[in-house]
Amino acid sequence: GQNIDQPTEMTATEGAIVQINCTYQTSGFNGLFWYQQHAGEAPTFLSYNVLDGLEEKGRFSSFLSRSKGYSYLLLKELQMKDSASYLCAVRDSAGRAAGNKLTFGGGTRVLVKP
Amino acid sequence: GAGVSQSPRYKVAKRGQDVALRCDPISGHVSLFWYQQALGQGPEFLTYFQNEAQLDKSGLPSDRFFAERPEGSVSTLKIQRTQQEDSAVYLCASRVQVGDYEQYFGPGTRLTVT
Repeated sequence: GQNIDQPTEMTATEGAIVQINCTYQTSGFNGLFWYQQHAGEAPTFLSYNVLDGLEEKGRFSSFLSRSKGYSYLLLKELQMKDSASYLCAVRDSAGRAAGNKLTFGGGTRVLVKP
Repeated sequence: GAGVSQSPRYKVAKRGQDVALRCDPISGHVSLFWYQQALGQGPEFLTYFQNEAQLDKSGLPSDRFFAERPEGSVSTLKIQRTQQEDSAVYLCASRVQVGDYEQYFGPGTRLTVT
């Protein structure tokens, strides 16, 4: 099975930087995802890490350490529109659903204040 | 192009009623997933289809839940004899190919059982 932990809520100021941590314990691992979800909307893909290291994409960066079972999502130059939930998810590598099933953490609600 | 669509967007059912939730994936997408998202939580995997074949239904919480994708495109999630604990948002996601990593989510159907 999979166990994924991330903070419930974070607050930051417009223009600042916020780092959302995610730790996981898994029976199989085939990649880690970050999704953004605004209230009442579909999750939208932000990043995918399968190898250790940092992936940068504009204002958003994601880091993975497989040996530590740890990832973070870094949001820079925060904007009001970044207020949303951020979901960490691990892709399974075992069983018939190999490479298919995503197991999500509970999500981190980020509130950006002016 | 059009994304994943789901209908209805909102459904209120009385306890004991049967409901059917529809998902129209992105045209040509081979893989289709159903997730259940309780309020304030991350999505939880329910079931996975590759074309018309249901390869994994390990996440379906009980035999009251049934999913089908008879022609490998549109999918229906049916819940029989709904109970209050079934109240959640039901998300559908599709993916181009089995080997791809990105899943595209629909806006979800919010089911409220009274």
